[in-house]
Amino acid sequence: NAGVTQTPKFQVLKTGQSMTLQCAQDMNHNSMYWYRQDPGMGLRLIYYSASEGTTDKGEVPNGYNVSRLNKREFSLRLESAAPSQTSVYFCASGQGYGYEQYFGPGTRLTVT
Amino acid sequence: SQQGEEDPQALSIQEGENATMNCSYKTSINNLQWYRQNSGRGLVHLILIRSNEREKHSGRLRVTLDTSKKSSSLLITASRAADTASYFCATDHFGNEKLTFGTGTRLTIIP
Repeated sequence: NAGVTQTPKFQVLKTGQSMTLQCAQDMNHNSMYWYRQDPGMGLRLIYYSASEGTTDKGEVPNGYNVSRLNKREFSLRLESAAPSQTSVYFCASGQGYGYEQYFGPGTRLTVT
Repeated sequence: SQQGEEDPQALSIQEGENATMNCSYKTSINNLQWYRQNSGRGLVHLILIRSNEREKHSGRLRVTLDTSKKSSSLLITASRAADTASYFCATDHFGNEKLTFGTGTRLTIIP
């Protein structure tokens, strides 16, 4: 099993450009999550999806949109990138509330 | 806002020694989890302790939970160079789907 996969691994954008980060899991998990990690800040939840067809905002949703395409895939879109969105982005999946989460390898995004 | 606060922020010990790191949180929890992150990698789940448990072991890891003090500790015994990583606690709260992560403890094992 591949677990949680993310593409791309690295990306550089100019301010105002858009992009979509892709995430897929092969563990048949119901819940999927997008986090960002900034130095000294730990992980902060951007959006999550408790089940196929549902999405909810996390702690820092502004400037992002998500799509739960099917049970396996959960994408994160930046419509108009800003330097404040420079970060490392992690996707995770899990069985849901009260269970552990499994993380992907991350996408390192720089916005200039 | 961050719920979990790890202490210390950084810790360096000699290989073979024990490492202890602490996590404090602000509001009542359902579960508390510990994760490890090696440099440049994703987080890996280590252990989950439920609010009605006081202690849990997994290999060289020992986690304690004191709900009256709203704190948890992670003990790594007989440390190895491969234990060098950042360690995060994460809490979830009754009725709230989301995990909230602390800022982490950076552990360095000196060979």
